[in-house]
Amino acid sequence: TQLLEQSPQFLSIQEGENLTVYCNSSSVFSSLQWYRQEPGEGPVLLVTVVTGGEVKKLKRLTFQFGDARKDSSLHITAAQPGDTGLYLCAGDSGGYNKLIFGAGTRLAVHP
Amino acid sequence: GAGVSQSPSNKVTEKGKDVELRCDPISGHTALYWYRQSLGQGLEFLIYFQGNSAPDKSGLPSDRFSAERTGGSVSTLTIQRTQQEDSAVYLCASSQGILAKNIQYFGAGTRLSVL
Repeated sequence: TQLLEQSPQFLSIQEGENLTVYCNSSSVFSSLQWYRQEPGEGPVLLVTVVTGGEVKKLKRLTFQFGDARKDSSLHITAAQPGDTGLYLCAGDSGGYNKLIFGAGTRLAVHP
Repeated sequence: GAGVSQSPSNKVTEKGKDVELRCDPISGHTALYWYRQSLGQGLEFLIYFQGNSAPDKSGLPSDRFSAERTGGSVSTLTIQRTQQEDSAVYLCASSQGILAKNIQYFGAGTRLSVL
């Protein structure tokens, strides 16, 4: 069974701080996705990483895919209150876009 | 439609009753996925459809759960004889196809509470 472990589970920081969220597995994934979910809404895709070692940047967010395609990280620089939400990583096990989700990291950024 | 629509947004039911959850995917999307999100947890895959066929039902928790899709569009997830452990948010997603490059767009979900 493929599993994705996310850490930390909760993160409460002040505006302007940097943070990193980790997503780890013992399994190889063909791609890995990061989503953000706000209360009462479905997850919204932030980025997809496909190649081992790949780094993608989305404004203040930097995403990395591990060389072995088993882990990933999300780094946020100078966090803002608008970054508050639940961040989920999801791995595509291959075949038909069936996603395996981590349990999520709940981020709160205080002004 | 503009996005994936799910109804009802909230459903409260008594233990033992049957419930039906509806998903209207984005027009033209051939793939449709159902997930379940328990409180404080990530999403758990339930079933996916390619057109009207469901090649993978492996995530359905028990035979009380079933789903169908008609006309390659609307899908219904049915839970029979609901139990308290069925309480969760049920999310539907659709995509243009089943390849990894196809983005899954999620609805807002149906929050099911079984009393």
